[in-house]
Amino acid sequence: GQQVMQIPQYQHVQEGEDFTTYCNSSTTLSNIQWYKQRPGGHPVFLIQLVKSGEVKKQKRLTFQFGEAKKNSSLHITATQTTDVGTYFCTLSNDYKLSFGAGTTVTVRA
Amino acid sequence: DTAVSQTPKYLVTQMGNDKSIKCEQNLGHDTMYWYKQDSKKFLKIMFSYNNKELIINETVPNRFSPKSPDKAHLNLHINSLELGDSAVYFCASSHGDLRLDYGYTFGSGTRLTVV
Repeated sequence: GQQVMQIPQYQHVQEGEDFTTYCNSSTTLSNIQWYKQRPGGHPVFLIQLVKSGEVKKQKRLTFQFGEAKKNSSLHITATQTTDVGTYFCTLSNDYKLSFGAGTTVTVRA
Repeated sequence: DTAVSQTPKYLVTQMGNDKSIKCEQNLGHDTMYWYKQDSKKFLKIMFSYNNKELIINETVPNRFSPKSPDKAHLNLHINSLELGDSAVYFCASSHGDLRLDYGYTFGSGTRLTVV
């Protein structure tokens, strides 16, 4: 079945710096969703991307869907300690959400 | 009001025991799920129910038996618990017709430890 690969697995960021995490698929995706899970918490829906080349912003977070709909990225600017957690991209089909392995972000103050 | 609530939050039990986890959602969603998250944070779907009907069973051992008495509730019963069942189990719900503008809503999780 379809799978998504996320890189990097771990991201250590200095507070105030920017970083990007990537999500790649070998097949064309109908849509992609991003979730954030804080340490000890549960996954929380961030956004869904559907259209080719789509870009959506949420404050310091910018989400992009690739033109070929085979990849997506999440860019965070001016990282804060509240950004700590694991970011998952997922693909959805047939009543099932399949998660990537996630990018776990730690922030150095 | 908690949108998706699951109980208990923590469960420590001995091998061989039988235990249940309960889940309830008040969002009016028609699809509910059980996910298992292992120690490496990998989230894997176990079951999916739409309007009380089982629609996905992802090769889960038959020691795991989900039950949905109505579309707002999805419980998970586990027989003969094994060490490898230790994980965090998340319940989730969504609109099953793929109106995913709001994504899936997850419960806070049940941390199961089998000793």
